Amino acid sequence: QLQLQESGPGLVKPSETLSLTCSVSGGSIISNSHYWTWIRQSPGKGLEWIGSIYYSGSTYNNPSLKSRVTISVDTSKNQFSLKLSSVTAADTAVYYCARHLSYGHVNFDYWGQGTLVTVSS
Amino acid sequence: EIVMTQSPATLSVSPGERATLSCRASRSVSNNLAWYQQKPGQAPRLLIYGASTRATGIPARFSGGGSGTEFTLTISSLQSEDFAVYYCQQYNNWPPLIFGGGTKVEIK
Repeated sequence: QLQLQESGPGLVKPSETLSLTCSVSGGSIISNSHYWTWIRQSPGKGLEWIGSIYYSGSTYNNPSLKSRVTISVDTSKNQFSLKLSSVTAADTAVYYCARHLSYGHVNFDYWGQGTLVTVSS
Repeated sequence: EIVMTQSPATLSVSPGERATLSCRASRSVSNNLAWYQQKPGQAPRLLIYGASTRATGIPARFSGGGSGTEFTLTISSLQSEDFAVYYCQQYNNWPPLIFGGGTKVEIK
């Protein structure tokens, strides 16, 4: 059974960079059929797709986050990571990692449990 | 960018009753729409994809319909475990992948 687990600091100061890692177990991140993705949910709010990465390193990001997002993959560790720069209080959210197909039905079938990141001084 | 609008924001339903949730897209997404259920403190769970195909392990009381810009999620007879927030998500034109704002199904 595929499992995803987010890890990283729960508190980040304004203007700094948020860094999270998603560890994948029960399957390989090297998949021709899937992208690995980050989604966030601000407290009491809806879901926002941040971006996705293929095992080769090819990425798609949400234009709303402009150039603040960097998503990378480490196939040797079966992990992928998120960096969000210049954070503000508006970036406080539960961050989820998940998986979706690379073609066809691009929906999120496996999710991590989520990790709360608070932006505060 | 496509905008996904869900209605109502909150739906109050008695156990055993039928619930119908709506999702509207600002332009056609064909049948490239998914539905998710989210309970407090949990990650969303995929219910429906392709507008009407149930995901693995999803009970038959959940059904999806529609195409183009108008979609529905119907729960035929609400069970206690179905009270949750439901989100739709389009994947016809991406990036970005976009979710609706959600509908909370609460106990009446």
